[in-house]
Amino acid sequence: SQTIHQWPATLVQPVGSPLSLECTVEGTSNPNLYWYRQAAGRGLQLLFYSVGIGQISSEVPQNLSASRPQDRQFILSSKKLLLSDSGFYLCALDRGADTQYFGPGTRLTVL
Amino acid sequence: GDSVTQMEGPVTLSEEAFLTINCTYTATGYPSLFWYVQYPGEGLQLLLKATKADDKGSNKGFEATYRKETTSFHLEKGSVQVSDSAVYFCALSKNNAGNMLTFGGGTRLMVKP
Repeated sequence: SQTIHQWPATLVQPVGSPLSLECTVEGTSNPNLYWYRQAAGRGLQLLFYSVGIGQISSEVPQNLSASRPQDRQFILSSKKLLLSDSGFYLCALDRGADTQYFGPGTRLTVL
Repeated sequence: GDSVTQMEGPVTLSEEAFLTINCTYTATGYPSLFWYVQYPGEGLQLLLKATKADDKGSNKGFEATYRKETTSFHLEKGSVQVSDSAVYFCALSKNNAGNMLTFGGGTRLMVKP
């Protein structure tokens, strides 16, 4: 079965510091992968999606970036965090039939 | 662009009460529609889906009918339980390359014993 791991589970970072969130998947090959953000009291916003190694599409311009160095690894990064980057970051993969499977998420607090 | 609008929460109900969470959408073409649920401290889980007009998705006592004429996909449950307390997200997918989901803002449901 497909499994998504996200690391770390929680993170507290100062404004201006760098960020690296990791998402790894198991039980599937060549998945479509997604990064979503859920800001406090708001819905989910699609940030990036990737259909393969090195292929990244950005949905919302911001100070975040994503990379896909391996088939089952999707990384979300920032060079300098902003207060507005605080939120719950979810990695997801396509399960087919339009369904997405979500990872456990990373809660980021920027102070 | 595509969008999903949900009723704002929180919705507070007593156990065994009837639940309705409204969801309407704006999209061209024929999107697939979903309800996802997020239990406290967890990621999202697919609750149910419908892929074409008049389809009814159902799971765990929840159901929603794809109404193209009213562009709606309201979530209902006849008798809620405390364990149903969670945030519910309505979403659509356009079946395009990448199958990206567009989510509504989420509705928090609190069920009291």
